[in-house]
Amino acid sequence: NAGVTQTPKFQVLKTGQSMTLQCAQDMNHEYMSWYRQDPGMGLRLIHYSVGAGITDQGEVPNGYNVSRSTTEDFPLRLLSAAPSQTSVYFCASSVRGQTNEKLFFGSGTQLSVL
Amino acid sequence: AQKVTQAQTEISVVEKEDVTLDCVYETRDTTYYLFWYKQPPSGELVFLIRRNSFDEQNEISGRYSWNFQKSTSSFNFTITASQVVDSAVYFCALSEAEGYSTLTFGKGTMLLVSP
Repeated sequence: NAGVTQTPKFQVLKTGQSMTLQCAQDMNHEYMSWYRQDPGMGLRLIHYSVGAGITDQGEVPNGYNVSRSTTEDFPLRLLSAAPSQTSVYFCASSVRGQTNEKLFFGSGTQLSVL
Repeated sequence: AQKVTQAQTEISVVEKEDVTLDCVYETRDTTYYLFWYKQPPSGELVFLIRRNSFDEQNEISGRYSWNFQKSTSSFNFTITASQVVDSAVYFCALSEAEGYSTLTFGKGTMLLVSP
């Protein structure tokens, strides 16, 4: 099993550009989520999904869109990148039916917006 | 609202010293889960432990031990005989009982272990 796979690992954008951070998991996990990590801030939840077709906002959703058309994939879209979105992004998943089971994290995407 | 406080921003120790990382949490839930994750310099997040609010037994795993005290809302993490490989950022996190595995993280404590 590959676990949780995030692509790309690094990305540089110009202000106003759009892009999609990809996240895929092969563990048949129902729950998937996106976090951003900023220096001195820990990890903060952006969006999450409890299953295909269901998404919800986390603590810092502004500027980001998500969709969940399949169980395996949970892409994060930046429609118009801003310097404030410079961060490290982590995708995570966990099993269905086991409340608060541990999260499996991807290796992260380091995004710089100039 | 849930909150996790890791007051220690950075800790420096010399190898073989014992070190305790503090975690204090706030929640209105009576049932909740607490976690510790490790982030080594390579950047990935490594799960260390999950503890539910009804289980106040301390846990030991090798050189790692955790002290959960509901009375003080603390879930502290101790590394005995620290090693250079323990150098990392450590995050404490909290999840409500009925949540969908979404976590509220503390800001992390950077541990530097020098030889």
